[in-house]
Amino acid sequence: QLQLQESGPGLVKPSETLSLTCTVSGGSINSNSYFWGWVRQPPGKGLEWIGNINYSGSTYYNPSLKSRVTISVDTSKNQFSLELTSVTAADTAVYYCARLGVLITIFGVDPYGMDVWGQGTTVTVSS
Amino acid sequence: EIVLTQSPVTLSLSPGERATLSCRASQSVSNYLTWYQQKPGQAPRLLIYDASNRATGIPARFSGSGSGTDFTLTISSLEPEDFAVYYCQQRGNWRFTFGGGTRVEIK
Repeated sequence: QLQLQESGPGLVKPSETLSLTCTVSGGSINSNSYFWGWVRQPPGKGLEWIGNINYSGSTYYNPSLKSRVTISVDTSKNQFSLELTSVTAADTAVYYCARLGVLITIFGVDPYGMDVWGQGTTVTVSS
Repeated sequence: EIVLTQSPVTLSLSPGERATLSCRASQSVSNYLTWYQQKPGQAPRLLIYDASNRATGIPARFSGSGSGTDFTLTISSLEPEDFAVYYCQQRGNWRFTFGGGTRVEIK
């Protein structure tokens, strides 16, 4: 059974870089059928998509975060990572990693849904 | 950016009743509409993709419908475990946005 587990610091200072890693177990990250990505949820609020990556390094980012976000993949470790620079209190949230199912069609890659999620990790931005 | 508006914000119902949740898009998203369920302290769970396709393992009491700008998630008969927050999400051109959520609470 595929499992995802987030790891990283729970406290980050303002203006610094938030770094999280998601470790995939019970399956391989090397697959054309999936992308891997991050979603966050500020306390008491809704969900916000951050971005996705596939095993070959193709990425898609939320335009509102694109200037500060980098998602990378390490297939040898079956992991993918998130870096968010210049954080502020507004970046305080639960960060989830998730598997995104995709369909390969004649029109391109069609993402249909995030079907496996990590448990989430709370990141607080505070001095 | 495509904005998704969910209504109502809160739905108060009893077990066994039918729940009808709405999601309206600011412009057409074709059928690229996904529904998630989230319980307190848990990650979201994929329910419905492409507006009407149930994800693996999702009970038949959950159904989705709609296309273009108006979508509906229906729970035919609420079970105790269905009381949760439900989010819709669209994926136009790899730019995912979520609705604000509908909380289904026990009346």
